[in-house]
Amino acid sequence: GQQLNQSPQSMFIQEGEDVSMNCTSSSIFNTWLWYKQDPGEGPVLLIALYKAGELTSNGRLTAQFGITRKDSFLNISASIPSDVGIYFCARSSYDKVIFGPGTSLSVIP
Amino acid sequence: GAVVSQHPSWVICKSGTSVKIECRSLDFQATTMFWYRQFPKQSLMLMATSNEGSKATYEQGVEKDKFLINHASLTLSTLTVTSAHPEDSSFYICSARQRGGGAMNTEAFFGQGTRLTVV
Repeated sequence: GQQLNQSPQSMFIQEGEDVSMNCTSSSIFNTWLWYKQDPGEGPVLLIALYKAGELTSNGRLTAQFGITRKDSFLNISASIPSDVGIYFCARSSYDKVIFGPGTSLSVIP
Repeated sequence: GAVVSQHPSWVICKSGTSVKIECRSLDFQATTMFWYRQFPKQSLMLMATSNEGSKATYEQGVEKDKFLINHASLTLSTLTVTSAHPEDSSFYICSARQRGGGAMNTEAFFGQGTRLTVV
């Protein structure tokens, strides 16, 4: 089964608001990946994290690799309607990439 | 860069027939390719991992004789759903990992997915 947990499960926010979502793991991993999936499409890689404590930005997105290597968060600033979708964290190891259950984001114009 | 193409985007087949889905890395060599299945409103569930030139490794509960995976080259992997049944209807997605050293070889890039409907 899945070893990753994501919270919240879903979010409804107003356009322009900032968003924060979290991913936790019961195990330590060396690489965290954050993806966004639009309906009927494959996931698109947003940010990759490789070091504990690492903070990485990609436009309005910021993600951090927790110090304990068991968690990560993703922030989206000044949300816009096209941010709607499902955000997945994933842990990457030598032999596989496993996904969390996802956070569904809805943006109200 | 790092483009993965999956074909077909959707397919409808009759129960009992077989369907082949192709996954290609267009601008990089993929040492490893992954196949996932996703049911509505659920996450991606890893089915199997394939390395070029070797047999695929299947996750627990995935029938290897039903879901045949071939990774014949560094740019192509195929998934064949044999004797398909309506319960096999799902969204199948492949991903590919770049060949080479460094941090980049832990990132996986995804195809656009294939919607399979078995009637």
